[in-house]
Amino acid sequence: GNSVTQMEGPVTLSEEAFLTINCTYTATGYPSLFWYVQYPGEGLQLLLKATKADDKGSNKGFEATYRKETTSFHLEKGSVQVSDSAVYFCALSRRTNAGKSTFGDGTTLTVKP
Amino acid sequence: DTAVSQTPKYLVTQMGNDKSIKCEQNLGHDTMYWYKQDSKKFLKIMFSYNNKELIINETVPNRFSPKSPDKAHLNLHINSLELGDSAVYFCASSRDSNSQETQYFGPGTRLLVL
Repeated sequence: GNSVTQMEGPVTLSEEAFLTINCTYTATGYPSLFWYVQYPGEGLQLLLKATKADDKGSNKGFEATYRKETTSFHLEKGSVQVSDSAVYFCALSRRTNAGKSTFGDGTTLTVKP
Repeated sequence: DTAVSQTPKYLVTQMGNDKSIKCEQNLGHDTMYWYKQDSKKFLKIMFSYNNKELIINETVPNRFSPKSPDKAHLNLHINSLELGDSAVYFCASSRDSNSQETQYFGPGTRLLVL
């Protein structure tokens, strides 16, 4: 079956530090890959996505590249801010799964001033 | 304008009661979902409807019954509430059930069963 494995948290960084949150997946075929972010007390919102191999998704300084050879979609940001403190979810979705997405367990990021 | 809205935002109730959560989306989407998020932030899909038709029904106790009166609304009724039902319930929608589509989440309903 499909699965998503995320780097375990929590992750604590100082402001302006470099961020990497690892995400690897197991799925047949060519799934679409997503990163969602959940700020405290809110619902999830899309951060970025990639729908085919070698695509790079980017938004708000965050980037992730769809690597089929390593089945990975690692999230990176060059310089984090306090406002980036949130829970980050990696997810995949397959064409044959009728919209059902498989989510990772989430990684909690805290950025300190 | 709120894209995906849920009511109520908070729900505190006694074990054994029956309660409903409502969800509405004004995005014109065809597909809607219910998710459960536990205290460790793990997210689990419960149901999905596409154009009022049930397309995903995960292993969920039959005390949970979704209902979609039209494609803009997806409600969740829970019978005989149990302590383990305490969680945050999120409604979401997407343009269709295509795998490339982004899901848009509501703000969540925080359910506490005492």
